[in-house]
Amino acid sequence: EIVLTQSPGTLSLSPGERATLSCRASQSVNRNYLAWYQQKPGQAPRLLISGASSRATGIPDRFSGSGSGTDFTLTISRLEPEDFAVYCCQQYGSSPYTFGQGTKLEIK
Amino acid sequence: QLQLQESGPGLVKPPETLSLTCTVSGGSISTGNYWWGWFRQPPGKELEWIGIIDYNGRTYYNPSLKSRVTLSVDTSENQFSLKLSLVTAADTAVYYCTKAVGVPDSSLTDYWGQGTLVTVSS
Repeated sequence: EIVLTQSPGTLSLSPGERATLSCRASQSVNRNYLAWYQQKPGQAPRLLISGASSRATGIPDRFSGSGSGTDFTLTISRLEPEDFAVYCCQQYGSSPYTFGQGTKLEIK
Repeated sequence: QLQLQESGPGLVKPPETLSLTCTVSGGSISTGNYWWGWFRQPPGKELEWIGIIDYNGRTYYNPSLKSRVTLSVDTSENQFSLKLSLVTAADTAVYYCTKAVGVPDSSLTDYWGQGTLVTVSS
């Protein structure tokens, strides 16, 4: 199965700053089927990005995804207070679908 | 707006069977190209995919759990269910029900329930 490694584990930034989160796969992700989710305590995970770079419906354009093969990036251009959460990447190109361990984005 | 809600016991004794139900509202479970699934997240660990089912009852499971997992669907109630047998403490997790789209070996999960914590303990 494909192992996804996210870095950093924790990212401390201030509102208005730019956040760059990384997700590296142990082998190439089929068709770049890489998704990013936002998780907040007590809430359902929220789909942000699919296919490595396609924003989901209703997701603000400050969120962008890039990358291919084994290296993927989620960028939040200007952090809003509501963006501080845990972000997880998932590959859904081959079974079993697997997730990274998450990056916690916290307020500095 | 599609909503998913998990329900079931919050405490299960080993080696019994964990049973959860997901009620779908705001949409029909009998929609083609939709896959209804389950994920879980043990405390402090990453999310783990359990499996998916469509309204016809076709299933795809994570090989690591396949021997213990059964998914089923009840179109009349707009619900689908998870059974996980022979549970141990390692099965303690927040369980999420989900909706996905696409083909089964590469389906994208686009809706999640809030999740329900299931603790396995005697």
